[in-house]
Amino acid sequence: AQTVTQSQPEMSVQEAETVTLSCTYDTSESNYYLFWYKQPPSRQMILVIRQEAYKQQNATENRFSVNFQKAAKSFSLKISDSQLGDTAMYFCAFMRLSGTYKYIFGTGTRLKVLA
Amino acid sequence: EPEVTQTPSHQVTQMGQEVILRCVPISNHLYFYWYRQILGQKVEFLVSFYNNEISEKSEIFDDQFSVERPDGSNFTLKIRSTKLEDSAMYFCASTKKKISQGATGNTIYFGEGSWLTVV
Repeated sequence: AQTVTQSQPEMSVQEAETVTLSCTYDTSESNYYLFWYKQPPSRQMILVIRQEAYKQQNATENRFSVNFQKAAKSFSLKISDSQLGDTAMYFCAFMRLSGTYKYIFGTGTRLKVLA
Repeated sequence: EPEVTQTPSHQVTQMGQEVILRCVPISNHLYFYWYRQILGQKVEFLVSFYNNEISEKSEIFDDQFSVERPDGSNFTLKIRSTKLEDSAMYFCASTKKKISQGATGNTIYFGEGSWLTVV
């Protein structure tokens, strides 16, 4: 069975600074996707960034980038130039490319950006 | 951009009552899901639905729960005889027919959630 672990329940960062959120996972699958989702106070699930496991190049999306270490089963999210609107819960998620494509979520990291 | 829509956004119900949560997935999607998030906890998979039948369900999805797609557009989650511990945000999600390595647009789209409070 797959598991996703986020070891940082809460983090804070000064506005305009950079912060890195950690995520590790465990799987025996070789083909899978990894995701970071943002959940603001409205509780909507917003896709931040996606990484295909077969790609060695780390995904980037504007101020958001990942450090994907497949051998170490690590998938961290870096937020550059943090903004007040980045304050939210961030969930790491794993999806295998077989079966029903369900997500396995981590427990989340609550990020607070300080003015 | 197409989106998954859910109704109601918030429902309060008496313990023991039946609740139906409704979802309209994105029109060309064929895989549908329900997830649950108890306040302060992680998002948990409940059930996936494909080709008009359940393709996978979690241990949470017991006989109290059922899903159906009655008219080809709506995707519903029914909770019979609600309990206090059913209070949670319920997310509907959908994705395209087949997710494969390298294909573009492979992601699951979430609705904005239905917040259920059982009192």
